[in-house]
Amino acid sequence: GAGVSQTPSNKVTEKGKYVELRCDPISGHTALYWYRQSLGQGPEFLIYFQGTGAADDSGLPNDRFFAVRPEGSVSTLKIQRTERGDSAVYLCASSLTAGGAPGELFFGEGSRLTVL
Amino acid sequence: AQKVTQAQTEISVVEKEDVTLDCVYETRDTTYYLFWYKQPPSGELVFLIRRNSFDEQNEISGRYSWNFQKSTSSFNFTITASQVVDSAVYFCALRSGSARQLTFGSGTQLTVLP
Repeated sequence: GAGVSQTPSNKVTEKGKYVELRCDPISGHTALYWYRQSLGQGPEFLIYFQGTGAADDSGLPNDRFFAVRPEGSVSTLKIQRTERGDSAVYLCASSLTAGGAPGELFFGEGSRLTVL
Repeated sequence: AQKVTQAQTEISVVEKEDVTLDCVYETRDTTYYLFWYKQPPSGELVFLIRRNSFDEQNEISGRYSWNFQKSTSSFNFTITASQVVDSAVYFCALRSGSARQLTFGSGTQLTVLP
């Protein structure tokens, strides 16, 4: 499809385990964002990439969270030593560019992470 | 600091009624952008509208209309003649100053009953 693709759609893991969530943005979109959405809340910003570099990672809650985008396309959000409080839907979004007048953000359907 | 407040947690209306979703924002920047997104049960956020801080003109798109008032820092969203398919969570969001990310409100769950 032509939209933002996220895998897995659901992930159940145990406390302390390592998790990777993948985002495949719309082809040609240089800006990529990760957000986290807890139940009943709006999405909270985690990190955004312009090309391969993390332009702003100020939303990452702590050093257990890390994200990469090595070739400027697919991105992986990595969570180490997961905790129950990490349970949420992780949303990825992309846009043509992050600068200037903001373009429309296209969101994926999210990866629902449950930490038992 | 940037903040978006959607005071209405849940709204329920009967089909064909008009409904207004409130959004109040806070920012110290003079240049900013406001957005509305729709999140249906599938979970994917769908873009509805973007407004910049220099354009207070109200906008109408079909059954949707938006009222932007800088004097009250509000960007309200009205659905006219609501339909069951309008049932979703609606988010107001702000991008302010040099920031490239959006700050979202907590959302309003709209239920349109047949």
